[in-house]
Amino acid sequence: AQKVTQAQTEISVVEKEDVTLDCVYETRDTTYYLFWYKQPPSGELVFLIRRNSFDEQNEISGRYSWNFQKSTSSFNFTITASQVVDSAVYFCALSETPYNTDKLIFGTGTRLQVFP
Amino acid sequence: DSGVTQTPKHLITATGQRVTLRCSPRSGDLSVYWYQQSLDQGLQFLIHYYNGEERAKGNILERFSAQQFPDLHSELNLSSLELGDSALYFCASSGNRGSYNEQFFGPGTRLTVL
Repeated sequence: AQKVTQAQTEISVVEKEDVTLDCVYETRDTTYYLFWYKQPPSGELVFLIRRNSFDEQNEISGRYSWNFQKSTSSFNFTITASQVVDSAVYFCALSETPYNTDKLIFGTGTRLQVFP
Repeated sequence: DSGVTQTPKHLITATGQRVTLRCSPRSGDLSVYWYQQSLDQGLQFLIHYYNGEERAKGNILERFSAQQFPDLHSELNLSSLELGDSALYFCASSGNRGSYNEQFFGPGTRLTVL
């Protein structure tokens, strides 16, 4: 069965702290895609990253980095030197290969609060 | 701005009523997806259309239906509304079936059923 687990419901940090958001997924497919989306207080869903199952290279984009480990079925997201603007709910999502659809299976989200 | 538009932004209605939510995908995108975000169910996939054809259904109630028109805009129809249907409904679009482009989400329609 397809499933995405974000065990951390809420995380609070002080500005400039590093924070890691955990994501564990379950799938029977060998080919799949993993995503992270950000939902700020305004409510929209903002795409952050897509990673396919054959690419285990870690990725860094500014203060954001992602660690994909197939051995542990995890796709964790780290924010370095967090800022107040990073406060949002972050969703990890899974998309499996063609059954005629790219539908996303979302985790329950992690609410990150960054205090000044 | 994702390029995906949804109307209306807010909708308040009563139980038993019927509403229609509208979505216009990004220019050139053939796929439209609908998702529901509620406090108890989280973000759930409802339905996927590709170039006017239904591709997949998720946890969509029988009281709900959708379609995608020749100009590629989509409508989600919710009928016999119940209090539990109150949620944020998102539409997303992507480029090509099978290419796994990221889905671009609209701003959502917040439905409140009183």
